[in-house]
Amino acid sequence: KAGVTQTPRYLIKTRGQQVTLSCSPISGHRSVSWYQQTPGQGLQFLFEYFSETQRNKGNFPGRFSGRQFSNSRSEMNVSTLELGDSALYLCASSLGGRRKETQYFGPGTRLLVL
Amino acid sequence: DQQVKQNSPSLSVQEGRISILNCDYTNSMFDYFLWYKKYPAEGPTFLISISSIKDKNEDGRFTVFLNKSAKHLSLHIVPSQPGDSAVYFCAASATQAGTALIFGKGTTLSVSS
Repeated sequence: KAGVTQTPRYLIKTRGQQVTLSCSPISGHRSVSWYQQTPGQGLQFLFEYFSETQRNKGNFPGRFSGRQFSNSRSEMNVSTLELGDSALYLCASSLGGRRKETQYFGPGTRLLVL
Repeated sequence: DQQVKQNSPSLSVQEGRISILNCDYTNSMFDYFLWYKKYPAEGPTFLISISSIKDKNEDGRFTVFLNKSAKHLSLHIVPSQPGDSAVYFCAASATQAGTALIFGKGTTLSVSS
């Protein structure tokens, strides 16, 4: 079974631009969560989508948004990029979106904002 | 304010010996804990978990211990192997946070042969 895939793997943008990252969960998984990893803050939860609905949101500004499609694929969008948005963005999928289910992570998208 | 802390950024162990990775938490509402391992250029991989109703969980070479009164958990790897060299993340979950995992900043384990 294919794992979680994320595209693109690397991205360079400039301040003020916007970016869209994509995540394809494991086949059959309905929940997709997004995390941001930075050296200073570690891994931080952004939001979770289940059945095309945002179910949970972390403490990030409104510039960070996402959506989920009917096939469970998810996209994350960051508008008006800031230098501090440079990070590794990870998505994770789980089968039924239950709290104690294992979340399987993708390899991440490394975003560099110049 | 960090709710999950891994106070040792790095740990070096010889092959065959025990590796002990530690994690402390501050939120008493956490009731489920996990350990993930991460290699460079890969996403975190789930290792083992423990519910707050238990104090120990084993899976092969990996054992997680939970001390609720001390708000402390540890991951024991016995015996350690060079392939265990990676960054280890402790994570916690609470009912009110839904499926969101709260991660520590990680400990880099180096196992030398």
